[in-house]
Order: sequence, then structure tokens, then C-alpha cells
Amino acid sequence: GAGVSQSPSNKVTEKGKDVELRCDPISGHTALYWYRQSLGQGLEFLIYFQGNSAPDKSGLPSDRFSAERTGGSVSTLTIQRTQQEDSAVYLCASNPLPGHSAKNIQYFGAGTRLSVL
Amino acid sequence: AQRVTQPEKLLSVFKGAPVELKCNYSYSGSPELFWYVQYSRQRLQLLLRHISRESIKGFTADLNKGETSFHLKKPFAQEEDSAMYYCALSATNSGNTPLVFGKGTRLSVIA
Repeated sequence: GAGVSQSPSNKVTEKGKDVELRCDPISGHTALYWYRQSLGQGLEFLIYFQGNSAPDKSGLPSDRFSAERTGGSVSTLTIQRTQQEDSAVYLCASNPLPGHSAKNIQYFGAGTRLSVL
Repeated sequence: AQRVTQPEKLLSVFKGAPVELKCNYSYSGSPELFWYVQYSRQRLQLLLRHISRESIKGFTADLNKGETSFHLKKPFAQEEDSAMYYCALSATNSGNTPLVFGKGTRLSVIA
């Protein structure tokens, strides 16, 4: 695939349910990031992976949020017991190895729009 | 802590008029600054980065360390420039660090 792929593109769920959002980064990109885009709030950093480890989880808003990455590729962001305030667009981005000329450029997926009813 | 401020939520200009989208940052080190753009129904994409010193789609941005600013400018706005613009900061230039984004400015170019 040419770009970062996210699924589903839209997710509607009921308050209290768990949801899983998936991100497939650009092949070969070692770093993967999750952001949340809310109306009027810009992009809020959630968590980032270098390979399969997450050096920085500081942005996760609560312990209901978790993420994992396996095989240095696909990542899943899980939100447990969803609340209405979790409604937002969840964006994933990836970037190449340090030392690559584009190392600091993040390439974004189209996002998953989550609506919690 | 790093912070990026975009003071205007919405900026409306007439086609052909100059446009300036403001961005100020707070960071004690040497940051790398970016402008990302999101056109309607498209994904967020890089517009330009300060280290490239390029003009992209007629836009330029100069890093002013004294004023801690990275304002985005274009001398003659076009309708196709209408989009959401985000200023972003990377705290290191070694790559693989999260970006700190401003809240964005919606640019509307009126025909």
C-alpha cells in the first residue's frame, strides 16, 4: 500500500462498549503515532511506538485507552467502556528511520471517526 | 513544555489578497517547525517544513527564533487554498518524536 491505512473509517458505538481501531503504517516505517482530532481542539498526541515498544504513552487520556503494535507494523488502539467524550477522529501517522532524509515527516492516515452514542 | 499557538480559528480573505496564518511556539531548545494542511475530505498532509526553506503552492514560512514564530504566508490567495492549516513543532531534529500541534486555522478564500 502506498500510504497509512486505518480501519474502520467510521465507527458508531454505544456508550460503555469497547472499540478497536486499526492502523497499518507505510511499509518500513519504524515509528507510529496515534493522535486524536476533536472539534476546536486540534490534534492531541496519544501514544507513539518505536518498533513494538511505546516510549511515550503520556498522551493517553485515561486507563481506558491502550494500544499495542506487533511485528513492528500494524497497531491497534483500544478504548474500553467508551464515553461520549471519546467521540473524535483518531489519526495514525508513521515516519521512517532516523537518518532517513524524511525522518521527521509524519505521514497520516485518513482517520477513524468514532461516534459514541 | 512545548506549546504551539495559532491565534486565529478562522481566517477569511478574498481571492488574490495576501494571506498570513500566524503560529507562535514555546520551546527552550531548537525545534523543527512544520505546516500541515487538511483539504476538505482529504487526509492531513505536510505542506512545508522550515529546514527545507521551500515555497510550496506559493506558500512560504520563515522561522523567527527571536519572536518564536513560524508564520505561513502567501502573496495571492487562491480558492483552492481553502483548508484547515496546522502548525506543528518537533522537539528534536533526530526524528521519531511526536509532533505538538496548534489548534489549527481554517482558511476560507472568497471568490
